[in-house]
Amino acid sequence: RKEVEQDPGPFNVPEGATVAFNCTYSNSASQSFFWYRQDCRKEPKLLMSVYSSGNEDGRFTAQLNRASQYISLLIRDSKLSDSATYLCVVNTPDMRFGAGTRLTVKP
Amino acid sequence: NAGVMQNPRHLVRRRGQEARLRCSPMKGHSHVYWYRQLPEEGLKFMVYLQKENIIDESGMPKERFSAEFPKEGPSILRIQQVVRGDSAAYFCASSRGNNEQFFGPGTRLTVL
Repeated sequence: RKEVEQDPGPFNVPEGATVAFNCTYSNSASQSFFWYRQDCRKEPKLLMSVYSSGNEDGRFTAQLNRASQYISLLIRDSKLSDSATYLCVVNTPDMRFGAGTRLTVKP
Repeated sequence: NAGVMQNPRHLVRRRGQEARLRCSPMKGHSHVYWYRQLPEEGLKFMVYLQKENIIDESGMPKERFSAEFPKEGPSILRIQQVVRGDSAAYFCASSRGNNEQFFGPGTRLTVL
């Protein structure tokens, strides 16, 4: 089993839709979790950290499920500018990136 | 506070030449990571270094690739005798301990 796994997508959604991504990890001792965003041909940028209690930043909500060993990212009221690849990151114990989930938001 | 710096941004090499990619971490960061991204693929971890130490090189190809992070100066990723399959974007990231990583803009290597 890979250390960090993501559904590669692509997810194609209309503007205004709600979309959710999951990411599973194999190391039950992992302590740090993040979501990054990568635009085409650019470097990945930190979107948000994922805390045990779950956290929200505007239209974005991140959650952690330790029992099932996955993290999730929910995007509400999606915008065209949300089109990107979303990468989950887990420390295993070194930081490891998932392969990314590609999202395209269409008018 | 300058971010992670990488140079060159673009590098063209002929088969058999050497490529040297440089990465200067953010101020105060002592952990450096190198990743490779092939066109239309995800990030692949290559190596994790701290000053003067290689911590994890499990993602490095066994031959032709090496990395260092000296006490002074930038981290260097060196690829000897490049082949066409080495053409990719190489990203460097730095962190303060085992926390979130901050990425440089990448070096795009093209092997002719």
